[in-house]
Order: sequence, then C-alpha cells, then structure tokens
Amino acid sequence: DGGITQSPKYLFRKEGQNVTLSCEQNLNHDAMYWYRQDPGQGLRLIYYSQIVNDFQKGDIAEGYSVSREKKESFPLTVTSAQKNPTAFYLCASSIESGTYSNQPQHFGDGTRLSIL
Amino acid sequence: AQSVTQLDSHVSVSEGTPVLLRCNYSSSYSPSLFWYVQHPNKGLQLLLKYTSAATLVKGINGFEAEFKKSETSFHLTKPSAHMSDAAEYFCVVSEGNSGGYQKVTFGTGTKLQVIP
Repeated sequence: DGGITQSPKYLFRKEGQNVTLSCEQNLNHDAMYWYRQDPGQGLRLIYYSQIVNDFQKGDIAEGYSVSREKKESFPLTVTSAQKNPTAFYLCASSIESGTYSNQPQHFGDGTRLSIL
Repeated sequence: AQSVTQLDSHVSVSEGTPVLLRCNYSSSYSPSLFWYVQHPNKGLQLLLKYTSAATLVKGINGFEAEFKKSETSFHLTKPSAHMSDAAEYFCVVSEGNSGGYQKVTFGTGTKLQVIP
C-alpha cells in the first residue's frame, strides 16, 4: 500500500546536536511538507517543497533545514539553533501544491522529538 | 488572510449520542475545507472534504459536515458516537494563491471524549 513513512518514531537530542528526521513517500506526490505539532496549537508549517531540488520556508523555519534531492524523500534536520525542539513532527504530501486547493494532504505517523 | 476557529477544545458525549464539532472559517477566496482525525501518537487521517460541490459532505466512519457560506461554518456531525471515535479532530481550510502555493491553515483541534 502507498503511504508516508516517518522514522524514527521517537528521537532524543542532546544539547548542541543536530538530528535528522526521515520522511519517505511512495504516493508519487509532487508536494511534501513538514509540520510541528505542540499541544493546543494545531499544526504549524516548517518547510514545504513543491518539486525536487526546490523548497520554501514555512511559518516557523528558524532552526530547521531540509533537502529535496529525490521526489520520494524530504528529510528534516533540527539544528542546535532550534532552542525548543521538543514536539511531535509530522510529514505530509499532496498530489500537487499549485493553485489547486482541493487536494488533501496525506500524513505520516510522526516522530516525537525530546531533549535529553 | 484565511483562518480557522474550532469553537470547542474539548467535547464529551455518551456512546450512542450525537456528535457535533464546530468549526468557523474565514477566507478571501472560495476555499476548500477538510476535517481530519488524529488518534494518539498517530498522523492525521482525512475524514472528509468540501470542494465547492454539494454543501453536505459525507465522510468515512459515518461522519458528515455541512458547508454554510452565510455562516462561514463547516461543522462536523455524527448521529451516534462510538467508543472508537475518541480522538482529536482538526478543521482545515485551504486555498491556492498567486504564488502557486496551496495555503493550508489548521484549527487548534477538538478532543472528543466518548463516555461508555
């Protein structure tokens, strides 16, 4: 079955350390997204990518970086500059991100990041 | 600018009674609207979507929602709650923009508790 795979499910970060969250999709979707979820705040967009080798900052990109070298993969790095990284991170994809607003996003099962 | 307001952060119902989760939105254009469900430590699953066709939208698991433009509302209902419906529900508004990007805004979520 097609879907989005996020790994690991749980991740711990030490002070000053960068960590990378994996997101892979086999839905042949063009657009991919990273969200951060904190209790009571809904989902906030970190980065998104509409095509390979292109990505754009979302609402809360500071302290994060991404790459999109392959259509299927959109890894997120949480850098040491992100001072409050403890959260639930969700990766999503959609068929396309253009002016067609009626395409739903498909989500992975998330990675929970905590500080040691 | 678009926004979404979920009017209740928590809703509690008895098993077998109706469910009503309220959502109001604002949008500059003709938006698409979605409801997603999230079980603990899982990603978001699409329940239903409105994309300017029929105003009464039927989704999975017996849920439905009615788009009321005059009231800018998109409330989610179910005639009879089941224990497995206990989860968090997100109302989402989406619209395309001139930059070719699908702008998506998530509500802050409503936690549904189902009492046996």
